[in-house]
Amino acid sequence: EPEVTQTPSHQVTQMGQEVILRCVPISNHLYFYWYRQILGQKVEFLVSFYNNEISEKSEIFDDQFSVERPDGSNFTLKIRSTKLEDSAMYFCASSGGGPAGEQDTQYFGPGTRLTVL
Amino acid sequence: QKEVEQNSGPLSVPEGAIASLNCTYSDRGSQSFFWYRQYSGKSPELIMFIYSNGDKEDGRFTAQLNKASQYVSLLIRDSQPSDSATYLCAVMSNTGKLIFGQGTTLQVKP
Repeated sequence: EPEVTQTPSHQVTQMGQEVILRCVPISNHLYFYWYRQILGQKVEFLVSFYNNEISEKSEIFDDQFSVERPDGSNFTLKIRSTKLEDSAMYFCASSGGGPAGEQDTQYFGPGTRLTVL
Repeated sequence: QKEVEQNSGPLSVPEGAIASLNCTYSDRGSQSFFWYRQYSGKSPELIMFIYSNGDKEDGRFTAQLNKASQYVSLLIRDSQPSDSATYLCAVMSNTGKLIFGQGTTLQVKP
């Protein structure tokens, strides 16, 4: 069964460093998302991406964040200068390729745990 | 601010019982509703989606939607210890993003 994959599973970085989190969405999906979950808190929307551009971004998604779909399979989230408060699980999700009635369903990858020291 | 509210629990039920998980949402225009299961340290895993008022059954799971009351619920029949997890209610906004509740922790005791 097709699934969303993410790498790395765990990333440790120093404050101020740049990180790139990578995702391979389900191959026939059209919509891509990043969410994050700080330990003990709810899953929060960061950004959605469709047709090679950002559809929507949250207040969290400031100028330090960017997304890119560099080729036909990868979808990346870059954090330019990490802060302590960026420590969280980052989930990639994709949707839009299933049968009618399921096209809204977002499937999540396993996540990348980002630890900023 | 559009909100999704869940009782954080824990909800404790004995093995074999019915677990009932509830969720309310604030945006009356919402059309699509999802239940995800999340084990500790893992990602959300889709259980069910529901779009229409009423009940939708899939195996041991039944989702119930009442748009007039802005209420979604999930029933788990014949609960098993492996069902012990956090259950996330998510509501899709009109822009396609999911708005999640805090999640309800379910403990199924053997």
